[in-house]
Amino acid sequence: RKEVEQDPGPFNVPEGATVAFNCTYSNSASQSFFWYRQDCRKEPKLLMSVYSSGNEDGRFTAQLNRASQYISLLIRDSKLSDSATYLCVVSGGGGSQGNLIFGKGTKLSVKP
Amino acid sequence: GAGVSQTPSNKVTEKGKYVELRCDPISGHTALYWYRQSLGQGPEFLIYFQGTGAADDSGLPNDRFFAVRPEGSVSTLKIQRTERGDSAVYLCASSGSVSHYNEQFFGPGTRLTVL
Repeated sequence: RKEVEQDPGPFNVPEGATVAFNCTYSNSASQSFFWYRQDCRKEPKLLMSVYSSGNEDGRFTAQLNRASQYISLLIRDSKLSDSATYLCVVSGGGGSQGNLIFGKGTKLSVKP
Repeated sequence: GAGVSQTPSNKVTEKGKYVELRCDPISGHTALYWYRQSLGQGPEFLIYFQGTGAADDSGLPNDRFFAVRPEGSVSTLKIQRTERGDSAVYLCASSGSVSHYNEQFFGPGTRLTVL
């Protein structure tokens, strides 16, 4: 089982749509969880951290379920500029909390 | 302020050659990380430094890969006897300290192609 698994997509949605991405992780010792965004041929950039209580940043909402080892990202009112690959990321467990473990990414394409 | 910078942006080399990839972290960041990203994959952890010392090198695939950070700032990733399978984008990131709470800021990467 891969450490971080996510649906690769692509998700093709019209502008204004709501889209949800899901991710599962295998290491129960992981302490921190993130969604990164990566544009084509660019470096990953932090979109948001994910907390057990759930957190929202404008049109983006992230949820974490530690019991199920499941992370989600919801994007409301999609914009053309949201088109990118969304990477689910968890910190390494135990003594490896400093390094990040990335999923393969889910590609989102928002169409006019 | 300046972000993480990496040089060169692209490197084409022949199988068997030696290459060095350089990373300049954000000024003042004590933690520095190397990842590599193959096509269609997420970044894969290689090694990270806290200051001058390698705190975790468990991601280095084999002994052809080595990284240094002699003065606690700039880091160099060194690959000996390159193989075609080493072709990837090598990403460097830095953060204020080694903590899972601290955001890692990524550089633009070095695209390595081994012919």
